[in-house]
Amino acid sequence: DGGITQSPKYLFRKEGQNVTLSCEQNLNHDAMYWYRQDPGQGLRLIYYSQIVNDFQKGDIAEGYSVSREKKESFPLTVTSAQKNPTAFYLCASSRGDGVGTGELFFGEGSRLTVL
Amino acid sequence: QKEVEQNSGPLSVPEGAIASLNCTYSDRGSQSFFWYRQYSGKSPELIMFIYSNGDKEDGRFTAQLNKASQYVSLLIRDSQPSDSATYLCAVNMDYQGAQKLVFGQGTRLTINP
Repeated sequence: DGGITQSPKYLFRKEGQNVTLSCEQNLNHDAMYWYRQDPGQGLRLIYYSQIVNDFQKGDIAEGYSVSREKKESFPLTVTSAQKNPTAFYLCASSRGDGVGTGELFFGEGSRLTVL
Repeated sequence: QKEVEQNSGPLSVPEGAIASLNCTYSDRGSQSFFWYRQYSGKSPELIMFIYSNGDKEDGRFTAQLNKASQYVSLLIRDSQPSDSATYLCAVNMDYQGAQKLVFGQGTRLTINP
């Protein structure tokens, strides 16, 4: 079955550590996105990528980094520079070019907790 | 700051009644509008999209769009307990020459048996 796989589902991090969240899709979608969701809040865009080897910052990119070396993969690194990293992280993809389509397919999410 | 506004709720509706969820947006030039459903602890899933003024029906769901009033709504007929979830409104907005999907904070809906 086609879909988006995120791992790990739950992650605990000590302050000062970098962590990387994995996102893999087999939908053959060109565009991929990372969102952050805090309790009672909507989704905020961290980074997005429309094609391989290219990505753009979203609204809250500070303290995060990404890479897009393969069409199927878009990992997110939460660095120690991110002051409040505890959140629910969602990876998504779409058929359209970039953020224009709005028809996003989401992974199951990764819940990061900083101890 | 371009925004999408929703009443965060909770909105409580008896089973079998019509649930009405509302959303307003700030960018008058927006052309496409989406409703996502998110169960607690899960990821969002797209349930409806609408591009033209008026109503769009899909089963028990109806999306309504009024671009002049910058207002989009979602009606759920014959509400079921399984409809209890948070509903996120999302709007495509112009962002530095490109389109960006902006989400509202979501409305938490509870259907009471």
